Amino acid sequence: DGGITQSPKYLFRKEGQNVTLSCEQNLNHDAMYWYRQDPGQGLRLIYYSQIVNDFQKGDIAEGYSVSREKKESFPLTVTSAQKNPTAFYLCASTRTGLAGELGETQYFGPGTRLLVL
Amino acid sequence: ELKVEQNPLFLSMQEGKNYTIYCNYSTTSDRLYWYRQDPGKSLESLFVLLSNGAVKQEGRLMASLDTKARLSTLHITAAVHDLSATYFCAVDIGTYNQGGKLIFGQGTELSVKP
Repeated sequence: DGGITQSPKYLFRKEGQNVTLSCEQNLNHDAMYWYRQDPGQGLRLIYYSQIVNDFQKGDIAEGYSVSREKKESFPLTVTSAQKNPTAFYLCASTRTGLAGELGETQYFGPGTRLLVL
Repeated sequence: ELKVEQNPLFLSMQEGKNYTIYCNYSTTSDRLYWYRQDPGKSLESLFVLLSNGAVKQEGRLMASLDTKARLSTLHITAAVHDLSATYFCAVDIGTYNQGGKLIFGQGTELSVKP
């Protein structure tokens, strides 16, 4: 079955620690996205990537970093510079990226809940 | 500042009743999406609206888009308990050479009671 997987489901971070959230898709989608969701709020875009080896900052990129070395994978690192990392993190993908068809809905992974110890 | 505002934010309905959720946005776009989120779960795509006047229906839910008014509605007909969830609208502000980029509303938490 095609889909998006995120791991781990729960992640605990100690103060000053960097942690990495995994996102993998086997949908052969070009574009991938990372969102943060705080309780009772909508999603906010952290980073997105339309093609391999390229990514763009979203609205709340400070304290986060990403890489896109493979089409299937878009890991997100929450660095120690992110002072309030507790949130639900969602990864998404769409079929087309740059210069592609617009109007493609995004497909979401199951999410990772990050908590600070 | 780009804003996507939903109202109401909380909606408690009785089974069998009708209601409408509104999504207003502050920028020019003719692409809008509706998603459903169950508690603690991910988002599920409900509707994709790609032009002014677009209307889509699935079961008891119907979504429409008025790009001139910058307004989308999600209408619920004869609500049932299974529709209890949080509903998000998202406006696509991406461009042809940048791809899709979504701005989400705050979500409307719907509770359908017997």
